[in-house]
Formats: sequence, C-alpha cells, structure tokens
Amino acid sequence: AQSVTQLGSHVSVSEGALVLLRCNYSSSVPPYLFWYVQYPNQGLQLLLKYTTGATLVKGINGFEAEFKKSETSFHLTKPSAHMSDAAEYFCAVRVFTGGGNKLTFGTGTQQKVEL
Amino acid sequence: DAGVTQSPTHLIKTRGQHVTLRCSPISGHKSVSWYQQVLGQGPQFIFQYYEKEERGRGNFPDRFSARQFPNYSSELNVNALLLGDSALYLCASSLELAGGRETQYFGPGTRLLVL
Repeated sequence: AQSVTQLGSHVSVSEGALVLLRCNYSSSVPPYLFWYVQYPNQGLQLLLKYTTGATLVKGINGFEAEFKKSETSFHLTKPSAHMSDAAEYFCAVRVFTGGGNKLTFGTGTQQKVEL
Repeated sequence: DAGVTQSPTHLIKTRGQHVTLRCSPISGHKSVSWYQQVLGQGPQFIFQYYEKEERGRGNFPDRFSARQFPNYSSELNVNALLLGDSALYLCASSLELAGGRETQYFGPGTRLLVL
C-alpha cells in the first residue's frame, strides 16, 4: 500500500533562508508524487508533481522537489523563503484503487516564515 | 477559466441532521473526487466518480454517499451527522481517470460544523 510521511509538523525559517520540507513515501509500484500548499481557510493548490522522467521537478513560486528512488524521498525546497510562503504543505502519493485512483496525503507541515 | 466551485462555503448543522454539499468541476473535467479534512490533518479520500460511476470509495461509513450528474457536477450527502463529521470537505476534479497522472484540482472547500 502506498503512503507518505512528512517529517516535522511545524517548521520555521527566516525570510531569505532555504525552505526544506521533507517527504518520504512508501509504494510497491512506481509512485506519482505531488506537493500541495494550503493557505488559511482555503483549498489546496498544486505546487508540483512527479510522474515519470526528470527527477528534479520545478513548480510554481520558485519551489522544486527531487524524486530520489533510493531514498524513497520527495523533499520540497525553495532557495529563499518569502513571507508569502507561510502556509501548510502537503505531500501526496497517487494510489490506484482498481476502478480509479485517489491521493493519499501526509499529515502536513506548517511552514512559518519569520523576519 | 473558472476553477472548481463548491457550495455552500460554510454550514452549521446539529447532530442527526442530513447535509448535502455540492461541487462543480472545471469545465471539461469528467472526474470528481471528495476528501474530508479534519482540523490539523491531511485530507482523507471519500469518493471518486468518473462519468457518473463510482470508481473508488474510502474508509467511510454508509452514512456518506455521493453521486455525479450528467453535467459532471457532484453532490456529497451525509446522513445522521455526528460531531466527528465536522471538517473541511474538499472537492477535486481532473480531466480523465485512466493512468493517474492527471492533476487533481481542488476547490475552496465547504466547512461543516456539527453541533
């Protein structure tokens, strides 16, 4: 069964510092992996996704993630944090349900950005 | 282009009541999925519908039901509401079903409070 684990429920960085949000997955088949961001009282917005091909995936707002099969990881990074990056971030893996598919989410990481 | 829309945005019900939540997918999208997000947790999969047929069901009781209409909009129904049903209910749409590579686009959600 596919699952994801996000290390650190709350993370704080200074504005301008590196953002690093960790995600490890478990999958018996080649995974499709996603990062979503959720701002307060809003739905989820896709940041980036990995399906096949290039293992370094670039997304919106300067975020990128690297799929590392040997480490079963899909960590999210951004070189320089901005105050607007304060939000909750969810890693997800696509699970095939036989007749369809679904996303299985991690528990989320609340990212705080300080001046 | 309009994104995924959901109604109502907020809802307050009492235990034992019934609730209907509505979702309109992005134009051209044929697949709709429903997720429940309890405060402080990641979204949990409830249902997926494609071409008006149920294609996946999460680990939720039979009090939860859904359907998809010919115009691909969808309703989620919850009977005999419990306090634990209080959550943000998210609807996501995607263009197709097969393959699982398609991005699921989320709506802003309906926040349900059960008193």
